[in-house]
Amino acid sequence: QSALTQPASVSGSPGQSITISCTGTSSDVGSYNLVSWYQQHPGKAPKLMIYEVSKRPSGVSNRFSGSKSGNTASLTISGLQAEDEADYYCCSYAGSRVFGGGTKLTVL
Amino acid sequence: EVQLVQSGAEVKKPGESLRISCKGSGYSFTSYWISWVRQMPGKGLEWMGRIDPSDSYTNYSPSFQGHVTISADKSISTAYLQWSSLKASDTAMYYCLFGDKNGDYWGQGTLVTVSS
Repeated sequence: QSALTQPASVSGSPGQSITISCTGTSSDVGSYNLVSWYQQHPGKAPKLMIYEVSKRPSGVSNRFSGSKSGNTASLTISGLQAEDEADYYCCSYAGSRVFGGGTKLTVL
Repeated sequence: EVQLVQSGAEVKKPGESLRISCKGSGYSFTSYWISWVRQMPGKGLEWMGRIDPSDSYTNYSPSFQGHVTISADKSISTAYLQWSSLKASDTAMYYCLFGDKNGDYWGQGTLVTVSS
């Protein structure tokens, strides 16, 4: 399986909203509502932000939301804050897992 | 509290063998597949494979098949990732994880450094 496709970087100013896309195929993202998103700060383990396309784990801010259309999933972060600056990874997890290449979010 | 606790950092020489561990607690260890994920320095996440702890059935990513072995001992709720002959290119952080209906849970990571 090939890695899912994410933009290498996105940026936004505090208070703005940004969206990170994650494009797969009809065999992974398009087939199942099993897409998750992770936030990773330098030197830290990945933290689950979204699972099953749009569900938030307990404790994750409602500024984070997920959606999917066809073979592309998206993560939207509203009201950007400085602490949101991190790497973000998508993952399709129907049986085996396949990750996106990661997106570096810079808060300007 | 659900936890996956991984073994500590390792420094090895090329050609040496290694087994790292991932101990689950706070949940039914045999009910969920455990996956292993590699993260090379400065790079992204790569899924290596997974194991069903109830019967030790495994799936591997084609990229890692034949290069590592995933195993588990359900009597002590522990999964393992093993190399028979390490290479410098195995230098990376390795994570274990599992998923349930509430999302997924990750270990803290094990840093493996392979250097002569």
